[in-house]
Parts: sequence; C-alpha cells; structure tokens
Amino acid sequence: TQLLEQSPQFLSIQEGENLTVYCNSSSVFSSLQWYRQEPGEGPVLLVTVVTGGEVKKLKRLTFQFGDARKDSSLHITAAQPGDTGLYLCAGRGPSNTGKLIFGQGTTLQVKP
Amino acid sequence: GAVVSQHPSRVICKSGTSVKIECRSLDFQATTMFWYRQFPKKSLMLMATSNEGSKATYEQGVEKDKFLINHASLTLSTLTVTSAHPEDSSFYICSAPGLGTDTQYFGPGTRLTVL
Repeated sequence: TQLLEQSPQFLSIQEGENLTVYCNSSSVFSSLQWYRQEPGEGPVLLVTVVTGGEVKKLKRLTFQFGDARKDSSLHITAAQPGDTGLYLCAGRGPSNTGKLIFGQGTTLQVKP
Repeated sequence: GAVVSQHPSRVICKSGTSVKIECRSLDFQATTMFWYRQFPKKSLMLMATSNEGSKATYEQGVEKDKFLINHASLTLSTLTVTSAHPEDSSFYICSAPGLGTDTQYFGPGTRLTVL
C-alpha cells in the first residue's frame, strides 16, 4: 500500500516568516501534486511535479520533487495571511487507475 | 479550464433518509470520477471510483450498500447516502481526471449534516 506522510500537520506562524512542508513516502510516484484548500471548498491544484529533482516556483511558493520521486517539499517565503489554508500533497501511483493518494494535510495559519 | 460542479453544496437531512449528491464535469467528459470524504481539518479519504457504464470500485472499509454510486453518463456521477445517520455527516468531494493528464479537477464539495 502506498502511503504519503505529510508533516507538519499543523503550523501557526507570523506574517513574514518562511516555512516548509514535507511529503515523504517509501514508494515511487509517477507524479506528485500540491493542492490548497479553503474551508468549505474543494482543493485547488497549485502544481504538478513529474521529474525527479524538479523544482517549480509559483511566486513565493517553491516546490521540489525528490530525485527518487519518493518525496516532495513545499517552501513558502515571507508567508502572508492569505496563505492560510489546508495544504495537501497527493501522489499518483505507477498503476493506471488514476487514483490519487493524499497526505494527511497541513493546516497553515499565518497571523498578521 | 476544466470545471467540476457538485449539487447540492450543502444539505441537512433527518436520520434515516437518503441523500443524493451529484457531480458533473461541465466542459469535458469523464469516464472515471472519484468520490472522497473529508472530516474537518483532515485530508481527503478516497471512498470509491465511479466508472461510466459499469460498477463503481469501492475502497476497503467503504460500504457499497450504504454509499450507492451511479455513473449514468460521461458527465454525471451521483453518490447516494442511504439511510443516513449522524455519523455520515461530513464533507463529500468528487473529482474527475483531465483527459491525458495527471491533473484532477475537484468539485466544490457538499456539506452533509444528518440530524
């Protein structure tokens, strides 16, 4: 069974601080996605990483896929209150079912 | 971009009644859709894979007689929570994969409250 361990599960920081969220597995994923979800809404895709070692940037967010495609990280620079939300990593396994395997999620609160 | 809608967005029902939730892909066809359940501040838990024209595939521990799934067309999947009880109260989300991509498009979710 493929599992994704996401950490930390809760994070409360002050505006302007940096943070990193980790997503780790013992399994290889063909791709990994990061989502952000606000209360009462569905998850919104932030990025998809496919190639081992890949780094993608989205404004103040930097996403990295591990060389072995077993882990990923999300780094936010100078966090703002608008970054508050639930961040989810999700991996697509090697089988062709299309299923996504989700990490436990990280609830981020950025205080002004 | 691709859009997935859900209806209703929220529903309150009495214990013992059945509730149907619709998931529609608005501008693309989806032979497969996924249904998730989510508890507050928790991650998404996959319940089942809805397959157009065939039976749904349920994840381990999900009662198929309790959560009926019908994928009647290439743009519509429905989840019916039968004989709902308060413990079925949750946020239910569907998703549909984009054609030929790894991207999944999520619906806005349905908040079910069973009294």
